[in-house]
Amino acid sequence: QVQLQQWGAGLLKPSETLSLTCVFSGGSFSTFYWSWIRQPPGRGLEWIGEIHHSGSINYNPLLNGRVTISVDRAKNQFSLNLTSVTAADTALYFCARGLRSGWSYAGYWGQGSLVTVSS
Amino acid sequence: AIQLTQSPSSLSASVGDSVTITCRASQGISISLAWYQQKSGKAPELLIYAASSLQSGVPSRFSGSGSGTDFTLTISSLQPEDSATYYCQQFGDYPRTFGQGTKVEIK
Repeated sequence: QVQLQQWGAGLLKPSETLSLTCVFSGGSFSTFYWSWIRQPPGRGLEWIGEIHHSGSINYNPLLNGRVTISVDRAKNQFSLNLTSVTAADTALYFCARGLRSGWSYAGYWGQGSLVTVSS
Repeated sequence: AIQLTQSPSSLSASVGDSVTITCRASQGISISLAWYQQKSGKAPELLIYAASSLQSGVPSRFSGSGSGTDFTLTISSLQPEDSATYYCQQFGDYPRTFGQGTKVEIK
């Protein structure tokens, strides 16, 4: 059974770097899409970016180049880095995996990590 | 970026009612659309993918339809556990985008 477990620092100061990691079990990294999605308090979902096992990566341009998604195949995990955070980056962050090989539809999700940016 | 507009933004209906949520894309996306259900503070759950395919384990009262720019999610007989917010997401182009959500409440 596919499971995603995520963790990372929950409280950051403005200008710091957000770092989250998602470890997966019950499957391999290969052939799937791996995504990060966030949700500001009381608001809707925002797609951050995704990485494919082939190395293809796509980011949301609204994040102005502050995002990096990477994968560590040996540890069965992938990570999100978001630099120069502001209060606007306060959100519940989710990792997700594509439903099937080669599909982006987010069929499996992590439990969510609340990140608060405050001075 | 492709914009998705959901309507209504919220609705209230009785148990047993049929409800329909629409999602309109700013440009054609074929059938590259998914629907998710999110309950407060929890991770979204995939209900429908490829516009009309029911995800395994999802009750058959949920159905999706549409192609191109216009899509619908229908709950045929609303149940108390369907109280949640529903989102559409497009996979026709990058960046992937979500609709703003539709909050469904039970009367």
